[in-house]
Amino acid sequence: DIQMTQSPSSLSASVGDRVTITCRTSQNIGRFLNWYQHKPGKAPKLLIYSASSLEDGVPSSFSATGSGTVFTLTITSLQPEDFGTYYCQQSYTPRWTFGQGTRVEIK
Amino acid sequence: EVQLVESGGGLVRPGGSLRLSCAASGFSFSDYGFSWARQAPGKGLEWISSITRFDRTYYTDSVEGRFTISRDNAKNSVYLQLNSLRGDDTAVYFCARDSFGSDYWGQGTLVTVSS
Repeated sequence: DIQMTQSPSSLSASVGDRVTITCRTSQNIGRFLNWYQHKPGKAPKLLIYSASSLEDGVPSSFSATGSGTVFTLTITSLQPEDFGTYYCQQSYTPRWTFGQGTRVEIK
Repeated sequence: EVQLVESGGGLVRPGGSLRLSCAASGFSFSDYGFSWARQAPGKGLEWISSITRFDRTYYTDSVEGRFTISRDNAKNSVYLQLNSLRGDDTAVYFCARDSFGSDYWGQGTLVTVSS
């Protein structure tokens, strides 16, 4: 199976800060990489698919880049509602896998 | 409106079985594949199984041979049969519609495995 490694595992940032999360994969997955936001007690939410495509309804403050084995998710101006845990996910193989998550806390 | 609603969770003893259901509405069910994922207490999301629109099925290693995913296009429903349950299967189980990634998710159903 493809291993996913996210960094950092957690971060604390202020409203308005730029936040970047990195996801590395154990093998080349092209652009088959998705990003999710998950808040406690809620359904996970797809933010980004195919490495850089913004899901409908997701604010343009979210963006993502990458291909191959290194991917990044950026929040250009952190908002109070952006707290939660962010996960990358590879959909290159039929057996999908998630990263371990990055917990984002608002200072 | 796209909706996915899971049901069937509960308390079960180790070695026991449960059948989770996911009722879908608001879209053409047969055109999509579906996944199940779970979140154990204090842990991250874990993909566990998928079924394609053509009934191909996939499982993560830890559930292969114990869990079975299936679908019923006439009932707009996806199922996950959980057998030989263990304590580390305790989690909230989510179903999701698959497109480019999983674009719609249910709210989850809690499975607790304990004696």
